[in-house]
Amino acid sequence: DIQMTQSPSTLSASVRDRVTITCRASQNISSWLAWYQQKPGKAPKLLIYKASSLESGVPSRFSGSGSGTEFTLTISSLQPDDFATYYCQQYNSYWTFGQGTKVEIK
Amino acid sequence: QLQLQESGPGLVKPSETLSLTCTASGGSISSSIYYWGWIRQPPGRGLEWIGNIYYGGSTYYNPSLKSRVTISVDTSKNQFSLKLSSVTAADTAVYYCARQRTIVGATDAFDIWGQGTMVTVSS
Repeated sequence: DIQMTQSPSTLSASVRDRVTITCRASQNISSWLAWYQQKPGKAPKLLIYKASSLESGVPSRFSGSGSGTEFTLTISSLQPDDFATYYCQQYNSYWTFGQGTKVEIK
Repeated sequence: QLQLQESGPGLVKPSETLSLTCTASGGSISSSIYYWGWIRQPPGRGLEWIGNIYYGGSTYYNPSLKSRVTISVDTSKNQFSLKLSSVTAADTAVYYCARQRTIVGATDAFDIWGQGTMVTVSS
């Protein structure tokens, strides 16, 4: 099984901060990685697919990078609507999610 | 725009079978470029993939749940369904259905999700 580990688990930040979340895979997953945003009581929303491709309609302040086993999600200038929990997901072999990173207001 | 809606009992007794249905509207579940999946989220916890199905009937299941899971599709009703047998309190969760894209025949991310339905396992 491929395990996905996100860091940090919680991140405190202010509006307009640059925020980076890391996701590590237990084995090489090439670029088969997605990032999702989830707000309380809502379904996850796809932000990034294939490690760095921005989903249609997602603001350009979101970006993804990485390949192999290490990946990052960056929010270039945090907005009030961005306070949420973020999950990475690999789809190289079956489908596994990271444990989530909660971005909270500092 | 495709929409997905989960339906089914919100309360299931231990040892019984959890049954949920996902109905698609605004699009066809018979498209050859999508898979259809189930994901769950226990209260206060992260996401767990349960399984996927293709409109032709081929399935993939989470190995940790495989012995208890059955996913099926009914293209005439534009629906796909989840059955999880021998449930325990650990199966209490919000259950989501979702559409999964494909890229050159390989599966991609889950791009459209249902709103989710809470299922509690309790006597």
